Amino acid sequence: QQPVQSPQAVILREGEDAVINCSSSKALYSVHWYRQKHGEAPVFLMILLKGGEQKGHDKISASFNEKKQQSSLYLTASQLSYSGTYFCGTEGLGAGGTSYGKLTFGQGTILTVHP
Amino acid sequence: DVKVTQSSRYLVKRTGEKVFLECVQDMDHENMFWYRQDPGLGLRLIYFSYDVKMKEKGDIPEGYSVSREKKERFSLILESASTNQTSMYLCASSSQFPLAGADTQYFGPGTRLTVL
Repeated sequence: QQPVQSPQAVILREGEDAVINCSSSKALYSVHWYRQKHGEAPVFLMILLKGGEQKGHDKISASFNEKKQQSSLYLTASQLSYSGTYFCGTEGLGAGGTSYGKLTFGQGTILTVHP
Repeated sequence: DVKVTQSSRYLVKRTGEKVFLECVQDMDHENMFWYRQDPGLGLRLIYFSYDVKMKEKGDIPEGYSVSREKKERFSLILESASTNQTSMYLCASSSQFPLAGADTQYFGPGTRLTVL
């Protein structure tokens, strides 16, 4: 079952902040965040592993709440280059100890940043 | 840098034709994946492979098959293309034994397939 992302779309002005949420109905081993620009391949942003960690990358950070099976992506002081569709990919706790890196992706959140 | 390439960026085929989509990765990755991407639905897994000649069905395997004869190459086959298979197809690969304890999937540029 696909994780659910919210919101579906968000429009910002440069410098504003945004939060994108990813919620799963299954126990998770990891959450992967990607950004895809129109006509291009999804580009990896960051991985969060079970254990409730938080990561940051420049002005983009993310958290993973293992108990709630949720992850959030935080974009602060947004730039025009942040525009694109953001996907979370979730990796479940596979039987036998491995999931072969199989990810289930959310439906995507379209982020538009205006000058 | 990991490089995943796909044989075509754009492809137009007729209903009933057999279609081959090729994907090649140069990082010696064990895992390879085929997705289709449709507006509002995100990326949905069609098939994946964790080793040569090994394959597993994903969430939407109907109407598709795959082949992995060599580690670096993973092919998606549409046995008899239909109009509802018009979509963007993305290939990805990942390591089964990542150095850092976790690895992600690396995507190719995609093939936009139109079935008329």
